[in-house]
Amino acid sequence: DAKTTQPTSMDCAEGRAANLPCNHSTISGNEYVYWYRQIHSQGPQYIIHGLKNNETNEMASLIITEDRKSSTLILPHATLRDTAVYYCIVRDQGGKLIFGQGTELSVKP
Amino acid sequence: GAVVSQHPSWVICKSGTSVKIECRSLDFQATTMFWYRQFPKQSLMLMATSNEGSKATYEQGVEKDKFLINHASLTLSTLTVTSAHPEDSSFYICSARGGGQANYGYTFGSGTRLTVV
Repeated sequence: DAKTTQPTSMDCAEGRAANLPCNHSTISGNEYVYWYRQIHSQGPQYIIHGLKNNETNEMASLIITEDRKSSTLILPHATLRDTAVYYCIVRDQGGKLIFGQGTELSVKP
Repeated sequence: GAVVSQHPSWVICKSGTSVKIECRSLDFQATTMFWYRQFPKQSLMLMATSNEGSKATYEQGVEKDKFLINHASLTLSTLTVTSAHPEDSSFYICSARGGGQANYGYTFGSGTRLTVV
């Protein structure tokens, strides 16, 4: 079973920051949090991952709470092309990525 | 870097026939590959994990005799759907994991849309 819970859907205005929350209260100390997104009928695209510290790359920022029980993915300036399903995943001990239901983000003009 | 090629991107087959889907890591060696299935409006469901040179490990409820997985080299894994039926129609996606990738593994292919008629 997936170890994460996310809101089913969110809307965001084009040009504004999109903040996507994720709860992973049962995460253990050495488990990473990964974020992927899937645009309709395509394979998932890697966004970012982290363990404890906040991370930033050219696509997004990942903010992980100090207790590691939740995280937030931030897309700083959302565009229409960011409309997708966003998956927050905790990699399991066997190294597998078990997907939850994800958040369907709609970026609106 | 870290590109996974999946072929074919779509296939239509008759009920009772078998279909083979290929997953190739183009610029890295994939020690582990994963196969997922996705039905419309649903999330990805992990079917099996394969390590190069050894038998695949299937998730609970996935029939290993129906979904044959071969991972004969560090750059190629294949999924064969045997005796396909309409209920096998789905979007099949592979993922490859290997050393040296910037994202610590897990590059996904673009998926294969299988329609069984």
